[in-house]
Amino acid sequence: QQPVQSPQAVILREGEDAVINCSSSKALYSVHWYRQKHGEAPVFLMILLKGGEQKGHEKISASFNEKKQQSSLYLTASQLSYSGTYFCGTVDSGGGADGLTFGKGTHLIIQP
Amino acid sequence: DGGITQSPKYLFRKEGQNVTLSCEQNLNHDAMYWYRQDPGQGLRLIYYSQIVNDFQKGDIAEGYSVSREKKESFPLTVTSAQKNPTAFYLCASSPGAWSYGYTFGSGTRLTVV
Repeated sequence: QQPVQSPQAVILREGEDAVINCSSSKALYSVHWYRQKHGEAPVFLMILLKGGEQKGHEKISASFNEKKQQSSLYLTASQLSYSGTYFCGTVDSGGGADGLTFGKGTHLIIQP
Repeated sequence: DGGITQSPKYLFRKEGQNVTLSCEQNLNHDAMYWYRQDPGQGLRLIYYSQIVNDFQKGDIAEGYSVSREKKESFPLTVTSAQKNPTAFYLCASSPGAWSYGYTFGSGTRLTVV
């Protein structure tokens, strides 16, 4: 089942902060976060694993509440380059048979 | 540089025709995936493969077929049975199945004419 992202869209001024949420109805093994710019491929931002391990290569932070089956992505001091659509993807803890399931995305617009 | 290559970038298909989308990676990744992206729908999983000569159906596998004869290659065939094939198709790979981030290709935009 597809995770639910909120908000659907957000507009910020450069330098402001934003939080994007991802919620699942299933117990989760991992949560992924990606950013996609228009017409381009999604780019991996971070993966959060059950048990607390996190892996990522961007200066972006995220949290994973296993009990609530929720994850949040924190964008601080936003830059123009942060604009795009952010997707969370979830793998359920039942062996991952359904694969990585993505939410519908959150559109982020950063204005100068 | 290592990466994942999809071709062609744009593809036009007549109704009733089968078409094959290419996906090649030189990252030495074991797992490969095909996703379909439609406006407002996010990415939906078509097929995935965790190892050569093995693959699993995703949420929307009907009307599609894949093969994984080589580690580097995971082609997707869109058959005439797929009723609404116009979409943006993304291929991805990862070192393993669920504990690693995915590297995506640049996509193929398929249009039925």
